[in-house]
Amino acid sequence: DAGVTQSPTHLIKTRGQQVTLRCSPISGHKSVSWYQQVLGQGPQFIFQYYEKEERGRGNFPDRFSARQFPNYSSELNVNALLLGDSALYLCASSSPSGGEETQYFGPGTRLLVL
Amino acid sequence: SQKIEQNSEALNIQEGKTATLTCNYTNYSPAYLQWYRQDPGRGPVFLLLIRENEKEKRKERLKVTFDTTLKQSLFHITASQPADSATYLCALDSGSSNTGKLIFGQGTTLQVKP
Repeated sequence: DAGVTQSPTHLIKTRGQQVTLRCSPISGHKSVSWYQQVLGQGPQFIFQYYEKEERGRGNFPDRFSARQFPNYSSELNVNALLLGDSALYLCASSSPSGGEETQYFGPGTRLLVL
Repeated sequence: SQKIEQNSEALNIQEGKTATLTCNYTNYSPAYLQWYRQDPGRGPVFLLLIRENEKEKRKERLKVTFDTTLKQSLFHITASQPADSATYLCALDSGSSNTGKLIFGQGTTLQVKP
């Protein structure tokens, strides 16, 4: 079985632009979470979606939004990019129950904002 | 405020020795704690989960302890190998039911020298 996949792998944008990151969960997983990881820090929770509904939101500005599709894949959108948005964006999927516990991470999308 | 702390300095040990990593937390009452491994440029990989009512968990050369009184978890790798060199992250559930929100420490980098 394929693991969590993310696209693109790398992205360069300029300040003020908008970006869309994509994630496909492990087959059978209905929950997707997004994390931001700045260099030298641990991942920081942005959103969780389960069955297309937002289940949790971290302390991020409204410039960050996400959605989940009927096939459980997900998109993370970031508007009006700032230099500080440069980071590794990680997507994680979890068990069919959508509960807590183990999360399976994708390889991430490396975003650089110039 | 809620806080998770891991050794910020890299841990350098000789092959064959036991590596011990520490995770301390404050203002949390987590139901469980997890440890992940992260290699450079990659997403975290789940290693072990330990629940609040468990004192110790083992998996092959890995051992995790969880002391809810001290608010501390220790992660041990016995008979360490150069291939164990990576950053190790501890993560707690946020305390909110069924959000799947993990709170991560900043990670400790382990370097095992041959």
